[in-house]
Amino acid sequence: LAKTTQPISMDSYEGQEVNITCSHNNIATNDYITWYQQFPSQGPRFIIQGYKTKVTNEVASLFIPADRKSSTLSLPRVSLSDTAVYYCLVGDRGSTLGRLYFGRGTQLTVWP
Amino acid sequence: DGGITQSPKYLFRKEGQNVTLSCEQNLNHDAMYWYRQDPGQGLRLIYYSQIVNDFQKGDIAEGYSVSREKKESFPLTVTSAQKNPTAFYLCASSIETGTGNYEQYFGPGTRLTVT
Repeated sequence: LAKTTQPISMDSYEGQEVNITCSHNNIATNDYITWYQQFPSQGPRFIIQGYKTKVTNEVASLFIPADRKSSTLSLPRVSLSDTAVYYCLVGDRGSTLGRLYFGRGTQLTVWP
Repeated sequence: DGGITQSPKYLFRKEGQNVTLSCEQNLNHDAMYWYRQDPGQGLRLIYYSQIVNDFQKGDIAEGYSVSREKKESFPLTVTSAQKNPTAFYLCASSIETGTGNYEQYFGPGTRLTVT
């Protein structure tokens, strides 16, 4: 079972780059790493997903080292609207197709 | 516009009553999920369904029941047996691409308050 560990909270200021690191020591060979964003009283929203090396989209970048035991979500030039909880998840291919395990996530607070 | 709808957004019930939360999706996804979220906590899986007429218990299924008679619909019933039903309930659906890629799409949630 690939559980994840990430910081409970982080603070940043507008315009800064934010890096949130997640560890997943027991990641399986076929597992993808996925990050979600959740605003209060809303459902989580998919941000980015990767398998290895680096993935970039219009919102964020995801850095995954060769051993895949950790990953780093990078948010460039954050704004106040990026204040949210960010979840790192690893797909569990055990006996249950499609299950995802959400931990407590990282509460990112962006200050003006 | 494709997506997942949950209704109602807020729901109030008296203790001892069963209540059913609606979840509908028009994304043509096979898999659907129900999660529960308590304040300051992550999401916990209640039930999930990979295909019509089939569903499995998640981590906290006690006191809940589901049905999956149609691909588009996955209603959740919170029964009187659920000891602490007040929570934020989220429905999701996903498509499995066959490569370990499980992107889930979430609805807006239903906040249930039982007094």
